[in-house]
Amino acid sequence: NAGVTQTPKFRILKIGQSMTLQCTQDMNHNYMYWYRQDPGMGLKLIYYSVGAGITDKGEVPNGYNVSRSTTEDFPLRLELAAPSQTSVYFCASSWDRGGIQYFGAGTRLSVL
Amino acid sequence: GESVGLHLPTLSVQEGDNSIINCAYSNSASDYFIWYKQESGKGPQFIIDIRSNMDKRQGQRVTVLLNKTVKHLSLQIAATQPGDSAVYFCAENIDGNAGNMLTFGGGTRLMVKP
Repeated sequence: NAGVTQTPKFRILKIGQSMTLQCTQDMNHNYMYWYRQDPGMGLKLIYYSVGAGITDKGEVPNGYNVSRSTTEDFPLRLELAAPSQTSVYFCASSWDRGGIQYFGAGTRLSVL
Repeated sequence: GESVGLHLPTLSVQEGDNSIINCAYSNSASDYFIWYKQESGKGPQFIIDIRSNMDKRQGQRVTVLLNKTVKHLSLQIAATQPGDSAVYFCAENIDGNAGNMLTFGGGTRLMVKP
């Protein structure tokens, strides 16, 4: 049971480039989340999804987009990357709205 | 505004001693709390949780205490080991309209001295 898998683990982007951070889970969880974690800081919610076809904004959605076409996958899209998006990105999933969130290992992104 | 926070950013303890990591919360409507451990270069890992109808819950070498009167949460680690060195986050569940909206504190770094 792999849990939550994120790819890539590391990425360097130039300003203005775009990329998609991949997230997949094999626990059949309905709820999925994207967070960013800046150095020495806590987690901030970017977007979340309560099921296939349903997504909603979190605390810091600007500069990002998501889609949820299947239960398993929840990709995060960065358009026109900016230095302010340099961070570590974590994907998480949970079984229900009150349940424990399980996290992936993260994607470390640098925008130069 | 409502928030979850931590008293100490860094805690240094001797191997074998007990560790206590504290967390304050301000949302009296919160009914579920989680402690996570995050080792360097890894994602947060669930340690233990507690609901607001309880004031204590024990796991393997860990105990979480909840004091609703003063809105305080603590994580106690018994016989701290080098492998316990990590950042510990408390998280508060605010039951939003469409999902589990966990709000995380800034984290406390636990350093275990051999």
